[in-house]
Amino acid sequence: AQKITQTQPGMFVQEKEAVTLDCTYDTSDQSYGLFWYKQPSSGEMIFLIYQGSYDEQNATEGRYSLNFQKARKSANLVISASQLGDSAMYFCAMSPGANNLFFGTGTRLTVIP
Amino acid sequence: NAGVTQTPKFQVLKTGQSMTLQCAQDMNHEYMSWYRQDPGMGLRLIHYSVGAGITDQGEVPNGYNVSRSTTEDFPLRLLSAAPSQTSVYFCASSRLAGGPTDTQYFGPGTRLTVL
Repeated sequence: AQKITQTQPGMFVQEKEAVTLDCTYDTSDQSYGLFWYKQPSSGEMIFLIYQGSYDEQNATEGRYSLNFQKARKSANLVISASQLGDSAMYFCAMSPGANNLFFGTGTRLTVIP
Repeated sequence: NAGVTQTPKFQVLKTGQSMTLQCAQDMNHEYMSWYRQDPGMGLRLIHYSVGAGITDQGEVPNGYNVSRSTTEDFPLRLLSAAPSQTSVYFCASSRLAGGPTDTQYFGPGTRLTVL
């Protein structure tokens, strides 16, 4: 069975600082994808970043980077230079080589001015 | 290019009523899916489709029906609404027929309340 764990229900970060949102996963599949989505208060799900299980380098997309540690089964999201607009729910998700996404319960990030 | 669209944005039903949530995408994506989001939980897969005429069940399919007659549309039908189906429903699509590299793009969601 697939399981995604996000242990931080809420996080606070000072504006312009970096923050790490934790995500661990459990799967027996060898090929899988890891995703992070942002959900602002308006409710939509916004794709941020993707990491494949066979990718040797950590994924980066602008201010977002994914700290992928395969042996530890962790896929933490790092947001650098936080902005007020980064305040939102963040969901980690995994696609275990099939069609479906499995989501964690999310982390609510609040950026403090 | 509108991406993934969903209608309606909000809906209130009475127990036992039926309705259809609409989902359409204009990206020629083969894969489409429906998720529900409940408070304190991540999204959970209801049904998915890997192409026109092909559908399958996800994690929480009970009480819902789907069909896929065209590539663009993937409606979700609630057969007899129950209060436990009060949730936010998201439709998503991706470029290929599944697989770990396929990023799913989500619609704006439908907030459904069943009284």
